[in-house]
Amino acid sequence: SAVISQKPSRDICQRGTSLTIQCQVDSQVTMMFWYRQQPGQSLTLIATANQGSEATYESGFVIDKFPISRPNLTFSTLTVSNMSPEDSSIYLCSARTGGTDTQYFGPGTRLTVL
Amino acid sequence: EDQVTQSPEALRLQEGESSSLNCSYTVSGLRGLFWYRQDPGKGPEFLFTLYSAGEEKEKERLKATLTKKESFLHITAPKPEDSATYLCAVLGGSEKLVFGKGTKLTVNP
Repeated sequence: SAVISQKPSRDICQRGTSLTIQCQVDSQVTMMFWYRQQPGQSLTLIATANQGSEATYESGFVIDKFPISRPNLTFSTLTVSNMSPEDSSIYLCSARTGGTDTQYFGPGTRLTVL
Repeated sequence: EDQVTQSPEALRLQEGESSSLNCSYTVSGLRGLFWYRQDPGKGPEFLFTLYSAGEEKEKERLKATLTKKESFLHITAPKPEDSATYLCAVLGGSEKLVFGKGTKLTVNP
């Protein structure tokens, strides 16, 4: 299994600013992911965070808006840039362990943009 | 394209009233079907992974089963603390977990 922590757990930000969310896994994992979950909705994949290379983004998400870093096998960051109220959401970090393919999730970061 | 459909969208049960949640799926090259529980304002909590038709897994009052087209999450004698949204997801050849929209379960005392 994998235990995932995220910082911050929540934040209230002003329009036009940026927020970086940190994700730490307690063990080395093969793959890390970032998701967005809007109120009452299911999870939407933003990107796959690749260790040592650029992230792979899903349709509708771009690097300039959501830059991602993954410097090692246990840590990743997601930045939400030039925020607008439409970015208000819960952002979730996820990691997949090798072997079982099981994917675990962090507790989420609740972002409110005013 | 991989797809997951969960039903019902919402389910209200009385404490002790057993029921089942359905997850229908289409996937190219199933690597696993996953059930998660999500409480309001929290991240999904992993419950089960099923890999092949006929497989069953149990945890307390929950039992997950898998066929070639669908999975069921059976809840036996539920308690109010089982109230949550239950998410089903599949992993196939795309390497991406595809989620259903979830079933919101409410268990009344």
